[in-house]
Amino acid sequence: DAKTTQPTSMDCAEGRAANLPCNHSTISGNEYVYWYRQIHSQGPQYIIHGLKNNETNEMASLIITEDRKSSTLILPHATLRDTAVYYCIVRVGNQGGKLIFGQGTELSVKP
Amino acid sequence: DTAVSQTPKYLVTQMGNDKSIKCEQNLGHDTMYWYKQDSKKFLKIMFSYNNKELIINETVPNRFSPKSPDKAHLNLHINSLELGDSAVYFCASSQEVGGGAKTQYFGPGTRLLVL
Repeated sequence: DAKTTQPTSMDCAEGRAANLPCNHSTISGNEYVYWYRQIHSQGPQYIIHGLKNNETNEMASLIITEDRKSSTLILPHATLRDTAVYYCIVRVGNQGGKLIFGQGTELSVKP
Repeated sequence: DTAVSQTPKYLVTQMGNDKSIKCEQNLGHDTMYWYKQDSKKFLKIMFSYNNKELIINETVPNRFSPKSPDKAHLNLHINSLELGDSAVYFCASSQEVGGGAKTQYFGPGTRLLVL
């Protein structure tokens, strides 16, 4: 079973920041938080991951709370092409680690 | 260049038939996976291979048999197809040994419809 909790759906206006929350209150000390997204009819796409510190790349920023029990994915300037299901995943294991996908958050970016 | 490719993209077949789905990755990764996404859109791991060795085998019927001829390929053979096998099957790969993010890269999916 998934170890994360996310809202089922969210809306965001085009050009605004999209902030997607995730709760992972049972995360272990050596587990990373990964974010993937799945645009309709495509395979999941890696976005970003982190352990303790906040992370930023060309796609998004990841803010992890100090107690690591929750995190927020930030898309700074959402576009229509960011409409997708976003999955917050806590990585299980180190070798051959499977990803356990929950229901994710369906983000709709509207004009 | 496609990093993780799958064939076929679509597969429509009759109940009881045997079919195979192929996956290839050109990323030099040591681990490959099969995931299944059902009609309710839940993605679940089925199998994982590391350097041609099976390391994850979730509760999947024996009719599903993965085969890894080399570490760049992981094929999925399904015997005696049933209606409930209709789903989208995604292949993925990652580099697990050594440092790094261990990011999984997914293929475009194979849409299987069993009639």
